[in-house]
Amino acid sequence: QQQVKQSPQSLIVQKGGIPIINCAYENTAFDYFPWYQQFPGKGPALLIAIRPDVSEKKEGRFTISFNKSAKQFSLHIMDSQPGDSATYFCAASKGGSASKIIFGSGTRLSIRP
Amino acid sequence: NAGVTQTPKFRVLKTGQSMTLLCAQDMNHEYMYWYRQDPGMGLRLIHYSVGEGTTAKGEVPDGYNVSRLKKQNFLLGLESAAPSQTSVYFCASRYLAGRADTQYFGPGTRLTVL
Repeated sequence: QQQVKQSPQSLIVQKGGIPIINCAYENTAFDYFPWYQQFPGKGPALLIAIRPDVSEKKEGRFTISFNKSAKQFSLHIMDSQPGDSATYFCAASKGGSASKIIFGSGTRLSIRP
Repeated sequence: NAGVTQTPKFRVLKTGQSMTLLCAQDMNHEYMYWYRQDPGMGLRLIHYSVGEGTTAKGEVPDGYNVSRLKKQNFLLGLESAAPSQTSVYFCASRYLAGRADTQYFGPGTRLTVL
């Protein structure tokens, strides 16, 4: 129940394409769903996050779509660029100061020029 | 404002040796975490702390110990290193206030156990 399942494991997209990364969760108590971006040799950094009171959130070229009934959420990258090549992690947590963030297994994204 | 720093950046150990990884944050965050990252496994939580003097076990705590004697520091110890502990270790501190919830990660420590 604590797992967050992420797919695909790796993804190659041409520049300008729209990569989509999907995540699914089981625990309905989760109320915060962030995405982290990690470049090689660096630590992950928060990219964008959503809470269940909205179905979509956009920040620049990055969009999270959230489907509460299906317990799924996804990351879309519009007009993808080679600089977006990185590993992306979805995550989930439930409110409370002692809560832990549960991470998905990661998606290695490569944007070809 | 350095954020989250980790020491050392790289380390090679022999099986059975011990070592301590140091994590420091200058953002006055209460919550700190240690993760390990292995290919295809994502980020797995080792131990975490919700405040100075407190620690708790995460998903994969065996073979590791931690201490949080000062708010800004979170130490991860390997008592007797094993090849299975070869990994990249990340420390993170967490800002949690209202609807804001962000983990700030350090640059990582790459550990090889021979």
